[in-house]
Amino acid sequence: DTAVSQTPKYLVTQMGNDKSIKCEQNLGHDTMYWYKQDSKKFLKIMFSYNNKELIINETVPNRFSPKSPDKAHLNLHINSLELGDSAVYFCASSQGQEAFFGQGTRLTVV
Amino acid sequence: GIQVEQSPPDLILQEGANSTLRCNFSDSVNNLQWFHQNPWGQLINLFYIPSGTKQNGRLSATTVATERYSLLYISSSQTTDSGVYFCAMDTGRRALTFGSGTRLQVQP
Repeated sequence: DTAVSQTPKYLVTQMGNDKSIKCEQNLGHDTMYWYKQDSKKFLKIMFSYNNKELIINETVPNRFSPKSPDKAHLNLHINSLELGDSAVYFCASSQGQEAFFGQGTRLTVV
Repeated sequence: GIQVEQSPPDLILQEGANSTLRCNFSDSVNNLQWFHQNPWGQLINLFYIPSGTKQNGRLSATTVATERYSLLYISSSQTTDSGVYFCAMDTGRRALTFGSGTRLQVQP
C-alpha cells in the first residue's frame, strides 16, 4: 500500500490552462504539505495544512490554491499556468515528526 | 530562517568506497531527516535523526544537535546509492527546510 500517493505522475499542459494535482495519504497523519522542486533540485515548502486548516502559506502566487476536503487529502489547483510553474511538485504528510513524501508530479508547461 | 548547508555538493565514488556527507545548520531543530532522491525522482526516507546515532545496513547517521551538524555515512557504496542526498529539518514552524543536496555518483 502506498502511504502518500499523488496523481498524476506527469502533467504536460499549455500556458494559460488550469490544472489540478491530487494527493492522498493513508497514514492517519494530521498534517499535509505541498513542496516544489525546481530545476536545480532545490526543495521548498509551499503550503501546509493541519486537520484541514491552512497553517503555512509561503510566498506562492495566488494562482496556486490548495484544498483539503478532509485530513487524508490535499489537492493543489493551479490557474493560468505559466512557463515558470514547470517543476516537480511533491505532496507529503507527517504527524509532527517524520515526514513521508509522495512520488512527485512532474509538471511541464509549454 | 534557518540556513542549511550540505557538503560536498558533488561526489564521485568507485563502487565499494566509503563516504561521509555533512549537513550544517544555523539554528536549533526539532526534527532532522535524511532523504535519498533516486534517479527516478523518488524521495526515500533514510533516517529520522534529530539527535544521536542510527544505523540501517550500510548506512548510518549521526546528529550532534548542540554543535548543529549531522553526518550521513555510506559504506561499501553500490551503484544503486547514486542520486541526491538531502538533509531537511524543522525548526518549529512545522515544515521542513531542505539543504541544497549532495549529488552522489557511484561508478562500477
